Amino acid sequence: SQQGEEDPQALSIQEGENATMNCSYKTSINNLQWYRQNSGRGLVHLILIRSNEREKHSGRLRVTLDTSKKSSSLLITASRAADTASYFCATPDSWGKLQFGAGTQVVVTP
Amino acid sequence: KAGVTQTPRYLIKTRGQQVTLSCSPISGHRSVSWYQQTPGQGLQFLFEYFSETQRNKGNFPGRFSGRQFSNSRSEMNVSTLELGDSALYLCASRSWTSGGGETQYFGPGTRLLVL
Repeated sequence: SQQGEEDPQALSIQEGENATMNCSYKTSINNLQWYRQNSGRGLVHLILIRSNEREKHSGRLRVTLDTSKKSSSLLITASRAADTASYFCATPDSWGKLQFGAGTQVVVTP
Repeated sequence: KAGVTQTPRYLIKTRGQQVTLSCSPISGHRSVSWYQQTPGQGLQFLFEYFSETQRNKGNFPGRFSGRQFSNSRSEMNVSTLELGDSALYLCASRSWTSGGGETQYFGPGTRLLVL
């Protein structure tokens, strides 16, 4: 079963626009992680936000976490064609096993 | 540091055969996890090894097995391949502390096609 569910499933935007995707999860968490995957390749870790953090930034990425709503959002600002990828949220259980959502497929057109 | 490496990158097998995939973690990382990714089921956890011991296992049949060597390198074996085993197999490494509070780093994956 999937712990995280991303919304929307797919997103199409133009270069320079912002892209926002959301993730909901079911159980309490220690942290939540976002990953990017380009065209069936490996997962690239983007950002980890801990349960006691509400917002975190990394370059053009901004992640928020609302533990009361069991949700997180990933914002990519000023998107580029190279941001075209699938984005996944993942939460580890107490052993560190990651449970992934189904992902949001983002297409950025020039 | 070098990243997580996986070999081979692509593999074609026929039903009934067996396959072994290899993963070398980031230097100093003692934990290796394996995940299967398919279009239908998404990313699913297979198992995790730490210090040569399986620490966690997902809901996969016994045909899927793994091991870890003293240098932390891990292998995953699938016996009696089925068409449904066609997938991208990803391994991830981490330094491993309790509570899963650290980042896991993924390799590029091995794409397995079963004909």
